[in-house]
Amino acid sequence: AQSVTQPDIHITVSEGASLELRCNYSYGATPYLFWYVQSPGQGLQLLLKYFSGDTLVQGIKGFEAEFKRSQSSFNLRKPSVHWSDAAEYFCAVEGGSYIPTFGRGTSLIVHP
Amino acid sequence: NAGVMQNPRHLVRRRGQEARLRCSPMKGHSHVYWYRQLPEEGLKFMVYLQKENIIDESGMPKERFSAEFPKEGPSILRIQQVVRGDSAAYFCASSPGGEDGETQYFGPGTRLLVL
Repeated sequence: AQSVTQPDIHITVSEGASLELRCNYSYGATPYLFWYVQSPGQGLQLLLKYFSGDTLVQGIKGFEAEFKRSQSSFNLRKPSVHWSDAAEYFCAVEGGSYIPTFGRGTSLIVHP
Repeated sequence: NAGVMQNPRHLVRRRGQEARLRCSPMKGHSHVYWYRQLPEEGLKFMVYLQKENIIDESGMPKERFSAEFPKEGPSILRIQQVVRGDSAAYFCASSPGGEDGETQYFGPGTRLLVL
C-alpha cells in the first residue's frame, strides 16, 4: 500500500525567505511523485512531478523538489517566496495504478 | 485547449434530494477521476472511469453514490438522498492515458452544501 505524510500542517515564512515543505512517502518500489498547489476555492494545479531520472525536478513558479530514495522523501523547495505563493500544498504518491494517494496538505502563510 | 470543466461550481441541496455533478475532461483525455475533499483534509479518491467503463470504484461509498462516463457527454457523479455528511468539495481530474497517464489535471471543483 502507498501512503504519504506531510508532517507540517502550517508553515509561516517571510516574503523573500526560502521555503522547504516536507513530504515522506511509503511504497515498496520507486513511485511516481507529485506536488500540487491549491489556492482558496480553486482546484489543484500541478507544480512538478518525478517519474525517473534526475532526482532534482524543476517545476513551475520557481519551485523544485528533490527525490531522496534513502529517506523516502520528496521535499518541495523555493529559494525566495512571494506573497502570491500563499496556498495549500499537497504531495501525492502513485505506484502505477493511476490512482494517487494525497497527503493532508501543508498550508503556507507568507508574511510581508 | 480548455482545461477540465466542472459544473456547477456551487450546489446547495436539502437532505434527501439528489445531487448531480458534471465533469468535462480536457480535450483528448479519456480517463476521469473523482475525488472528495473535506475541510482541512487532502483529497480522497472515489472512482476512476474510462469511456463507458468503471475501472476502479474502491473509494465510492457503497450506497447512494454512483458515477458514469458515457460515450458522449460529461462524466456524472450522482449522489442520491444526500445527507449533511456529503457536504464537501468534489474534484474531477482527467488524464490522457498512455505515457503520461499518471499525470492528472484537475478541475475547479464543485462545492456541495447539504442543508
